[in-house]
Amino acid sequence: DADVTQTPRNRITKTGKRIMLECSQTKGHDRMYWYRQDPGLGLQLIYYSFDVKDINKGEISDGYSVSRQAQAKFSLSLESAIPNQTALYFCATSARDKSDTQYFGPGTRLTVL
Amino acid sequence: EDQVTQSPEALRLQEGESSSLNCSYTVSGLRGLFWYRQDPGKGPEFLFTLYSAGEEKEKERLKATLTKKESFLHITAPKPEDSATYLCAVQAAGGYNKLIFGAGTRLAVHP
Repeated sequence: DADVTQTPRNRITKTGKRIMLECSQTKGHDRMYWYRQDPGLGLQLIYYSFDVKDINKGEISDGYSVSRQAQAKFSLSLESAIPNQTALYFCATSARDKSDTQYFGPGTRLTVL
Repeated sequence: EDQVTQSPEALRLQEGESSSLNCSYTVSGLRGLFWYRQDPGKGPEFLFTLYSAGEEKEKERLKATLTKKESFLHITAPKPEDSATYLCAVQAAGGYNKLIFGAGTRLAVHP
C-alpha cells in the first residue's frame, strides 16, 4: 500500500466551486506539505504543517486554505476555484529528523473550467 | 533570493550514452540538496540528499555530486527505463523546511 495517498486523483470543476483535496499518510511523519506544480515551473509550496496545531502559509497560499484533522491527514481547500488554479497538486510528508527528506504522494490533477 | 536552475531543460540520449544533468543554486546557507525522479502523472520519487561540498552518492546508474555552487547528476550507460524528469531542490539553513525546486530536466533515453 502507498505510504502517502491523495484523493481524488483527478477532478474537473467549474469556476466558483469549492473543492477539497485530501491527503493521508501511514509513514508516521509529523510534517505535511501541499505543493502545486505547473508545466515548466518548479513545485511551489502552498501550506505546511509541522504538527496538528501548527499550520503555516507557504509562498503561494492566496486562494487556498488547509485543515490538519489528525497527524495523518492534511486537506487542501479551494474556497472558490478559478481557472488559473488548474494544476497538479502534491502532498508531501517528512519526519522530524536530520535528513528531513520529503516524500510525495501520487498527486491530484485539478482542472477548473 | 534563493534560487535553483536546472540545465538542460530536456535531454535526449541513446541507450548506453552517458551524460550529466546540472543543478545550479544560490541559497543563504545550504542545509541539503535533494534529487528526485518524477515519472509522468506521478509524484516525485526521492533519490538522494547531499549535505556538503565534495559529497557523492550513488544508486544503480545514477551518481550525484555536490560543489558549493552546483550539483551534478551523472547517468552512466542509461537505459530506456531511466527516462523521466529529474528534479533538484535545495533547503536553506535556518527557518522552516522549505524546499526550493528547479523546473527539472526531462530525460528521454532511446533504444
